[in-house]
Amino acid sequence: EPEVTQTPSHQVTQMGQEVILRCVPISNHLYFYWYRQILGQKVEFLVSFYNNEISEKSEIFDDQFSVERPDGSNFTLKIRSTKLEDSAMYFCASREGLVYLNTEAFFGQGTRLTVV
Amino acid sequence: SQQGEEDPQALSIQEGENATMNCSYKTSINNLQWYRQNSGRGLVHLILIRSNEREKHSGRLRVTLDTSKKSSSLLITASRAADTASYFCATDGTPLNNDMRFGAGTRLTVKP
Repeated sequence: EPEVTQTPSHQVTQMGQEVILRCVPISNHLYFYWYRQILGQKVEFLVSFYNNEISEKSEIFDDQFSVERPDGSNFTLKIRSTKLEDSAMYFCASREGLVYLNTEAFFGQGTRLTVV
Repeated sequence: SQQGEEDPQALSIQEGENATMNCSYKTSINNLQWYRQNSGRGLVHLILIRSNEREKHSGRLRVTLDTSKKSSSLLITASRAADTASYFCATDGTPLNNDMRFGAGTRLTVKP
């Protein structure tokens, strides 16, 4: 069964460093998402991406964050200068069709980011 | 924001009992989805219910949607210890809003 894959599974970084989290969405999917989940808390929407541009972003997704689809398969989330409070699990998701066609989203297993 | 809010926050039951979790949301939605998350793992899609549907079944899962009350419920019948997980509802707004948002989740513990 096709799946969304995320790498690395765990990343430790120094405060102030840049990190890139990588995702390979399911190949025929058109919509891509990043979410984060601070330990024990809710799953927070960061950004959605369609047709090579951001379609929605939350208040969390400030200038420190950026997303890119550098080639036909990868979808990346970059955090330019990490802060301690960026420590969280980051999930990538993709879905096949347009939102109003009511398709389910498939999630990766997540990347646990620890900022020290 | 159309994000859902689940209640209860935590639910503990015995194996074999039914578990009911509720979700409320604030604005009009296109559909509502329920997801399951085992501790520290990814989110697994359980069921999607469209805004024009009132009830949907999948195995031991039953989901209802009441758009007049802006609420949904997830019923797990004949629960098993393996059902222990967190359950989240997520709402899709109107077609113009591509920002599927999650509630805080219900932590379900099923005791053997």
